[in-house]
Amino acid sequence: IAGITQAPTSQILAAGRRMTLRCTQDMRHNAMYWYRQDLGLGLRLIHYSNTAGTTGKGEVPDGYSVSRANTDDFPLTLASAVPSQTSVYFCASSDESGANVLTFGAGSRLTVL
Amino acid sequence: QKEVEQNSGPLSVPEGAIASLNCTYSDRGSQSFFWYRQYSGKSPELIMSIYSNGDKEDGRFTAQLNKASQYVSLLIRDSQPSDSATYLCAVSLLEGAQKLVFGQGTRLTINP
Repeated sequence: IAGITQAPTSQILAAGRRMTLRCTQDMRHNAMYWYRQDLGLGLRLIHYSNTAGTTGKGEVPDGYSVSRANTDDFPLTLASAVPSQTSVYFCASSDESGANVLTFGAGSRLTVL
Repeated sequence: QKEVEQNSGPLSVPEGAIASLNCTYSDRGSQSFFWYRQYSGKSPELIMSIYSNGDKEDGRFTAQLNKASQYVSLLIRDSQPSDSATYLCAVSLLEGAQKLVFGQGTRLTINP
């Protein structure tokens, strides 16, 4: 089934540790995105990539980094996790014809203690 | 002021009635408007998009856009318990989802 795969599904992490959330899509979409979702705040864009080899900062990029070595993969790294990064993280993608139409992964729930 | 505002709810509607969800936005240059549905513990999924003033119907769903008043709404006719979810309004200035701004979502409950 075509779509977006995120891993891990859930993770508890000690503050200060490094963590990478993985995202892989098999739809050959050019654009990919990372959002965080917090209660009462909705979805906020962390980083995005319009095409392989390029990335950009979203609304809340501090403390996060991304890379886009190829079309399919878009990992999100927390270099040194802090409790305020406790959230549900969604990876999403869009193709060129429906650039604002997002397909989301199932999400990764991260708890930083 | 948040760029995209929604009443967080919860909004409770009896089964079979019309559910009305509203969203206002602050940027008059906004061009594209979307409604996503998110079931509890799941990821958002697109249910409606609208780009010009007026109504757009798709089955039991109708999106309404009024750019002069800067609001977009979603009507759900003949509400079903399976419509119970959080509905996210999203607004974009330009092409490219990096410009997409989400509201905080309205939690809708349909009571049997």
